[in-house]
Parts: sequence; structure tokens; C-alpha cells
Amino acid sequence: GAVVSQHPSRVICKSGTSVKIECRSLDFQATTMFWYRQFPKQSLMLMATSNEGSKATYEQGVEKDKFLINHASLTLSTLTVTSAHPEDSSFYICSAYDRDTQETQYFGPGTRLLVL
Amino acid sequence: GQQVMQIPQYQHVQEGEDFTTYCNSSTTLSNIQWYKQRPGGHPGFLIQLVKSGEVKKQKRLTFQFGEAKKNSSLHITATQTTDVGTYFCAGPQLLNTGNQFYFGTGTSLTVIP
Repeated sequence: GAVVSQHPSRVICKSGTSVKIECRSLDFQATTMFWYRQFPKQSLMLMATSNEGSKATYEQGVEKDKFLINHASLTLSTLTVTSAHPEDSSFYICSAYDRDTQETQYFGPGTRLLVL
Repeated sequence: GQQVMQIPQYQHVQEGEDFTTYCNSSTTLSNIQWYKQRPGGHPGFLIQLVKSGEVKKQKRLTFQFGEAKKNSSLHITATQTTDVGTYFCAGPQLLNTGNQFYFGTGTSLTVIP
């Protein structure tokens, strides 16, 4: 199946710093990538939809200025958590749509963020 | 509030017993997808159902999409320890503002050897 990678897999940062998370589709072109957040033992919460070459669409309650999303190419999307605070500590997962099938989301392995 | 609910939230079964999780949406879904997330891992796609009343099987797993396209179920026959994980349904709800993709609340399955 299709492969989606995320980097880094884990990151620990100090409060107030910014953290960038990369999401790459390795063997297919993804016109659309999704960013999710998952708290322990809870469901995935969609944060934003990222379309290549255009501005991301954010879900209600997600701060655009805090979670900056860039989808500059068909294989790469980035999520930057700006001025991170301890409450931003979470598991961030991206997924990507295969443009050929447009049916299946392929998930990245996730990035665990801990803000001290 | 949560748009797609799953029951039960948790399920413990003895190995060999059957297991079913139910997914209910507040509005009609264009399609329904099922994912499995192993403990500590990321969700993996299992299947997608599109048609009203559709039933699909994958070995011991049976997936069903309701006639009204608002509910779905996943049934596992004769569970094995490899079935352990959290099962999520997900799908796009058609809203006035366009499609909105929602994940269900998930059902965590524990299989006791």
C-alpha cells in the first residue's frame, strides 16, 4: 500500500518555542493532506485540511495562527505549532489522499509532541 | 458535539468469541470507512463501503452499511489476539457548508487469551 512518513516521530520542546512537523507521501501524489490530533485513548480530531497550492481549511476551534499549515508540493505538507504550550502536547497524525483513487486516506505514523 | 458515535466504547472478549462495534452518524454519510489502530500505533485503513445496505467481508471481518447510510457495523468472528486495537469508523457528512469528514469515537477491543 501507499506510504506516508512523518518527521520527527517524537519531539520535546520548551514552552514558547515553535515546532515543525513534516508529512510526506513517499510513493504517490497527494492533492489533499489532513492533519489530526489525538489525545490519549480518544478519537482522532480533524484539525485542518491541506490542499496543495492553496490555503488550508481549518476546523472550528482550531487557531490558524497557532497551527500553521503549508502544502507546497504534492508530496509534502508541514504543520508548525507556534509558541507551543503544555496544552499543545499531543499526538499529531497526518493523512494523505492518493490522487489516483481518491478513496483511501493513508496515515502517517504520527508525531508525539511534549511541551515542557 | 460528537457527530459520529460508536458503541461500545470498550469491549473485552475471550479469544474465540465474536465481537461487534456499531457506528451511528447524526446525518447521512456519503460513504463509511473503517480503520484499526493498534495500541501505540497509527490508524490503518480497513475498508470503505459506499452503497446503501452494502455488506463486505474480509476473512473473519464483516462490514455493513445501513440502508439509510447513517449507521454501520463491524463484526469479527472468532476473535484472535491479533485483533486487539481500537476500531474507528469514519466518513464524510454532507453539511450546508460542504462535506465534513468525521471519525467515530472508537471501540477499544481487548482479547483475552
